[in-house]
Amino acid sequence: QVQLQESGPGLVKPSQTLSLTCTVSGGSIRSGGYYWSWIRQHPGKGLEWIGYIYYSGSTYYNPSLKSRVTISVDTSKNQFSLKLTSVTAADTAVYYCARRWGGTFDIWGQGTMVTVSS
Amino acid sequence: EIVLTQSPGTLSLSPGERATLSCRASQSVSSSYLAWYQQKPGQAPRLLIYGASSRATGIPDRFSGSGSGTDFTLTISRLEPEDFAVYYCQQYGSSPETFGQGTKLEIK
Repeated sequence: QVQLQESGPGLVKPSQTLSLTCTVSGGSIRSGGYYWSWIRQHPGKGLEWIGYIYYSGSTYYNPSLKSRVTISVDTSKNQFSLKLTSVTAADTAVYYCARRWGGTFDIWGQGTMVTVSS
Repeated sequence: EIVLTQSPGTLSLSPGERATLSCRASQSVSSSYLAWYQQKPGQAPRLLIYGASSRATGIPDRFSGSGSGTDFTLTISRLEPEDFAVYYCQQYGSSPETFGQGTKLEIK
């Protein structure tokens, strides 16, 4: 079955760029009908949708983060990635990658904690 | 942006009891594009319900969803020990997709 796994640094300095990659296994990222997503959860808080991408490269971002977010896809590696620029302590969160199906998020990675601190 | 307000914030019940969780939207959710997720400590959320009332694959039938417009409900008919967790609703009828703040279901 399809599984997702996030990877990337757990610590990022303020004003720098947060970069994470999600590796999809057990299925192809080129499967039609699915969008590949990033969602984050601040410590002890609720969930915030960041954005998602189709395998063709079409992207959709949360307006609240749009100016700082880039999501890209590498179909040859079955991966998609998140870049978040100019990070502050407010970007400290658990970052999840997830498969978006029909608007819902039906498969999730385990999540990776990213702390913004000098 | 549609704001989802979940109530109660915390629900204390015993195994075997019935749980009723509410999700209210600040404006109508089109086509009942409302989902529910369960999250246990240290784990990612798990999709339970989509389209307001359809159970996701592998979800036990003690979980049911209902509602339309601005008022939605997740019902767990008979609580099992593994059901104690945090539950989130999500609307995907309009962008940006948004989540509620969660209801914590705890053992009484």
